[in-house]
Amino acid sequence: DTAVSQTPKYLVTQMGNDKSIKCEQNLGHDTMYWYKQDSKKFLKIMFSYNNKELIINETVPNRFSPKSPDKAHLNLHINSLELGDSAVYFCASSQDAGTISTEAFFGQGTRLTVV
Amino acid sequence: GDSVTQMEGPVTLSEEAFLTINCTYTATGYPSLFWYVQYPGEGLQLLLKATKADDKGSNKGFEATYRKETTSFHLEKGSVQVSDSAVYFCALSSADKLIFGTGTRLQVFP
Repeated sequence: DTAVSQTPKYLVTQMGNDKSIKCEQNLGHDTMYWYKQDSKKFLKIMFSYNNKELIINETVPNRFSPKSPDKAHLNLHINSLELGDSAVYFCASSQDAGTISTEAFFGQGTRLTVV
Repeated sequence: GDSVTQMEGPVTLSEEAFLTINCTYTATGYPSLFWYVQYPGEGLQLLLKATKADDKGSNKGFEATYRKETTSFHLEKGSVQVSDSAVYFCALSSADKLIFGTGTRLQVFP
């Protein structure tokens, strides 16, 4: 039973399209995150939500919009896709964002390729 | 701001060799420190963690000690296996998020 699951695992799309990536966690955690991993494996946080409320919004273009319908789901919608958006996107969750020692559990990643 | 610096890879070793991957950090306050591992085609998994100075995290033969005086959290393993080949990320907790180093690829050959 997968703890943090993302769909799709692979996504190939043309420039200018709009796409969504879905994430669900069954761990009962309060906090969920989106991270972007570039081609050099560098990981950078994009957003985090705690109990459906946005708490971290790093410098990310407005074309990226997270949506959290409930605390078990955090979806990422991307408008007007650009070549530079090609990356692996990871969803993660943790028990409580306020507890800094809490580990994060990661999904398998979604490899987005924009052509 | 807070940051993590890792040694650049790839690190290439023969099976049963000793492994060290260096990690240093810059942080205000007293963060928790983590090592995550990413196997090919998979997400990140927590390998070990330490929450305060002088704590030693350990798991699967890997160890790392939280050294406040040198702001370091080096990863070590006495005898690596081919199955340890992966990318290893050092991370710290900062303002409700994890900040990662750039990752170090480890390749172990039989």
